[in-house]
Amino acid sequence: GQQVMQIPQYQHVQEGEDFTTYCNSSTTLSNIQWYKQRPGGHPVFLIQLVKSGEVKKQKRLTFQFGEAKKNSSLHITATQTTDVGTYFCAGFRDDKIIFGKGTRLHILP
Amino acid sequence: KAGVTQTPRYLIKTRGQQVTLSCSPISGHRSVSWYQQTPGQGLQFLFEYFSETQRNKGNFPGRFSGRQFSNSRSEMNVSTLELGDSALYLCASSLHGFGPEKLFFGSGTQLSVL
Repeated sequence: GQQVMQIPQYQHVQEGEDFTTYCNSSTTLSNIQWYKQRPGGHPVFLIQLVKSGEVKKQKRLTFQFGEAKKNSSLHITATQTTDVGTYFCAGFRDDKIIFGKGTRLHILP
Repeated sequence: KAGVTQTPRYLIKTRGQQVTLSCSPISGHRSVSWYQQTPGQGLQFLFEYFSETQRNKGNFPGRFSGRQFSNSRSEMNVSTLELGDSALYLCASSLHGFGPEKLFFGSGTQLSVL
């Protein structure tokens, strides 16, 4: 069946270092969304990517959607303690949503 | 505007029992979707309702069911609970539909099955 693989599962970085998480789908997606879930919290929408090769930026966060619409990445520049949490991608296809298992980001002060 | 409200926040049940969870979407949102979140499987889609009709369904057994009322509030029911049903159950709402719009999640119901 349709799968969305997300790596890495965990990432520890020193505050100020960069961070990247990747999502790869076994099938072409209609669009992909990214969510952040703080410890003990609920997922909060970050961005949606729809077009092939699309790149969007939100301050220190850069989101990319691959040319084949099968992969996506989230890059955080110069991480801060407020970036702690789990980042999920959510791929949409044929009215179905498949979440990646998330990347849990730990920031070392 | 009030956010998505889920009740109860915590539930403890025993195997074989049934449970009903409630979700009130953001005012004006007509789409409500439900998800199961576990450490092992992550977030998994259960089903989506729009204008009282189930439009999409994930790969969960028939023990998991839901409904939506005319005011867009939704309930999810799990019958004959199993230990593996212990999870955080999240609902999300969106304005028109599912897919092209961002999802607003509630805080979830933490279900423990003993």
